[in-house]
Amino acid sequence: DAGVIQSPRHEVTEMGQEVTLRCKPISGHNSLFWYRQTMMRGLELLIYFNNNVPIDDSGMPEDRFSAKMPNASFSTLKIQPSEPRDSAVYFCASSPQGRSTDTQYFGPGTRLTVL
Amino acid sequence: KNEVEQSPQNLTAQEGEFITINCSYSVGISALHWLQQHPGGGIVSLFMLSSGKKKHGRLIATINIQEKHSSLHITASHPRDSAVYICAVSGGSQGNLIFGKGTKLSVKP
Repeated sequence: DAGVIQSPRHEVTEMGQEVTLRCKPISGHNSLFWYRQTMMRGLELLIYFNNNVPIDDSGMPEDRFSAKMPNASFSTLKIQPSEPRDSAVYFCASSPQGRSTDTQYFGPGTRLTVL
Repeated sequence: KNEVEQSPQNLTAQEGEFITINCSYSVGISALHWLQQHPGGGIVSLFMLSSGKKKHGRLIATINIQEKHSSLHITASHPRDSAVYICAVSGGSQGNLIFGKGTKLSVKP
């Protein structure tokens, strides 16, 4: 299996622009997680889906952030408009059933820089 | 106060040394996960614990539920063990993780 796939790997954009991050989970996994990592705050959960349905989006910073999972093999995280404080590494992870005892498999991350 | 605390934040060791990284948490959990983040940024899961002890190669992870504490041990450390080790907990039946800030380990040859 190819593992969790994220694109792009690096994104540099200017403040105010729309940014879309993409994730393809491992085939057969029912749960997908979006995390953000910064030097100051470490890793934080943004949102997670179970069977394509958002279960917990309490970590989404504000209305500028939105996430979708239109099918079992694809999810997007969109920031509109982007701000310099959104600069971070965004990780997508998937797990078989989303249970607390499931191992999560992380993608390589997208490094976002907002100028 | 963070819900998941790790110590130390940074650790430098000589090759061959025995290493211990600690994790304490303040919330009720269903499972505790140890993750490794490579210098290139990739994150891999090392262990998932809900009780007792697990061993994989030179890595050993233990958890004490009553004391809300877990340790990750590395025996006969090697420079390739240099990475950031992250403790994370999950509560209830849901899989979303709460992370510690990580321990940056550097093993010198």
